[in-house]
Amino acid sequence: GNSVTQMEGPVTLSEEAFLTINCTYTATGYPSLFWYVQYPGEGLQLLLKATKADDKGSNKGFEATYRKETTSFHLEKGSVQVSDSAVYFCALSAPSGGSYIPTFGRGTSLIVHP
Amino acid sequence: ETGVTQSPTHLIKTRGQQVTLRCSSQSGHNTVSWYQQALGQGPQFIFQYYREEENGRGNFPPRFSGLQFPNYSSELNVNALELDDSALYLCASSFNNEQFFGPGTRLTVL
Repeated sequence: GNSVTQMEGPVTLSEEAFLTINCTYTATGYPSLFWYVQYPGEGLQLLLKATKADDKGSNKGFEATYRKETTSFHLEKGSVQVSDSAVYFCALSAPSGGSYIPTFGRGTSLIVHP
Repeated sequence: ETGVTQSPTHLIKTRGQQVTLRCSSQSGHNTVSWYQQALGQGPQFIFQYYREEENGRGNFPPRFSGLQFPNYSSELNVNALELDDSALYLCASSFNNEQFFGPGTRLTVL
C-alpha cells in the first residue's frame, strides 16, 4: 500500500535558521504530493503541493521539489520565523479504484526560538 | 466564501454509545473526506463521499459510517464507541484534488 515517512521531531531551530524536513513516500502510480501545516488547536492547512515529477511547490517562503527518482518531497525554508512553529505533515494522493485516496505522514513538530 | 465548518467542537461520550459528527463543505465542493487524527499522529483516512455516494474507504470497521446530503454537507456516525476512538475527527472538502480542512471535532470516549 501507499505510505509516507517523515523525519521525527521535534525540530528545534533559532529564528532565521535554515529548515529541512525530510519526506519520502511509497506509492503505486503517479501520486500528487502535499505539505500541510497544523497550528495548535486548528485543522490542517495546505502549505504547498506538486502534481508531477520535478515540479516545485512553493508558498510563504517554503519550497519542496517532487523527486521521483528518490521518491522524496523534502520541505525547505531559508529563514524560519517564530510564527512558523507548528506541526508539518507530508501527504500523497494516489488514484485507487476511481477515487483519490490520501495518505499522511505522522507529522513533524517545528519549534522556532527567538 | 465560507470555509469548512464542523460541529460540535468537543464531545464526551462513554463506551458503547453512538455519536454523530457534522461537516459543512466549502461552497462548490462536491467531495468530502473524513479523517481520524489520534494525538501525536497524522490523519488517518476513514472514507470519502462524492455526490452522496461513498467513493473510497480506509481501514476502518463498519461501525464507522457516513452520509453526504444533496447540499454536500456530511455526517460521520460511529457506533459502539471504544476508548481508542478518542481522537480529533477532521472533515475536508475538496475541489480538483485539493483538500480544505475544517477545524475538527475533539471526541473523548470514557
